[in-house]
Amino acid sequence: EVQLVESGGGLVQPGGSLKLSCAASGFTFSGSAMHWVRQASGKGLEWVGRIRTKVNKYATGYAASVNGRFTISRDDSKNTVFLEMNSLKSEDTAVYYCTNSNWHWGQGTLVTVSS
Amino acid sequence: DIVMTQSPDSLAVSLGERATINCKSSQSVLDSSNNKNYLAWYQQKAGQPPKLLIYWASTRESGVPDRFSGSGSGTDFTLTISSLQAEDVAVYYCQQYYSSLSITFGQGTRLQIK
Repeated sequence: EVQLVESGGGLVQPGGSLKLSCAASGFTFSGSAMHWVRQASGKGLEWVGRIRTKVNKYATGYAASVNGRFTISRDDSKNTVFLEMNSLKSEDTAVYYCTNSNWHWGQGTLVTVSS
Repeated sequence: DIVMTQSPDSLAVSLGERATINCKSSQSVLDSSNNKNYLAWYQQKAGQPPKLLIYWASTRESGVPDRFSGSGSGTDFTLTISSLQAEDVAVYYCQQYYSSLSITFGQGTRLQIK
């Protein structure tokens, strides 16, 4: 059974930083691109970015709204993907989900950016 | 970016009746090299993450009831629930993954019981 468990969310001040983790199991993690998607309260789904596999040189791509502020990385030895978020803004407040390339989703972790 | 537009925004259907949700993309999501439409459908119930229902526009995910079906190609797609059950109350989203550097979702369609 595929399991994706996000962690690391919390309350952070505008301009601050936070690093999210997503621990994966139940599939071949090293062979799967991994994505982050976010959802503000009562709103729709917004793709944040993705990291590809080692064969694809761990290539990353980001939504325009986070490009230059967010960084996705992965540790295949620990079956974990990370989302490092810098220069956070109030509009980054959302539940952050990780997904694999077969579009299985974790339960999400809430990030609140507020003073 | 490919813009995904769903219709209607909300829908109320009687139990046992058919529910139809449409999704239109601003450009084709059909890859002619493999004849696959890079289009997925999700169901999201209150307080839960999205659940994959359909991928490649018409392939049902394992475990999804066969009352859910997807159709369409190119830019126009449909999710059909053949006989609405109470547990189908949710928000439904379409998603294109054709553009791997800019994946986009529809705005969502809220499905309720009439």
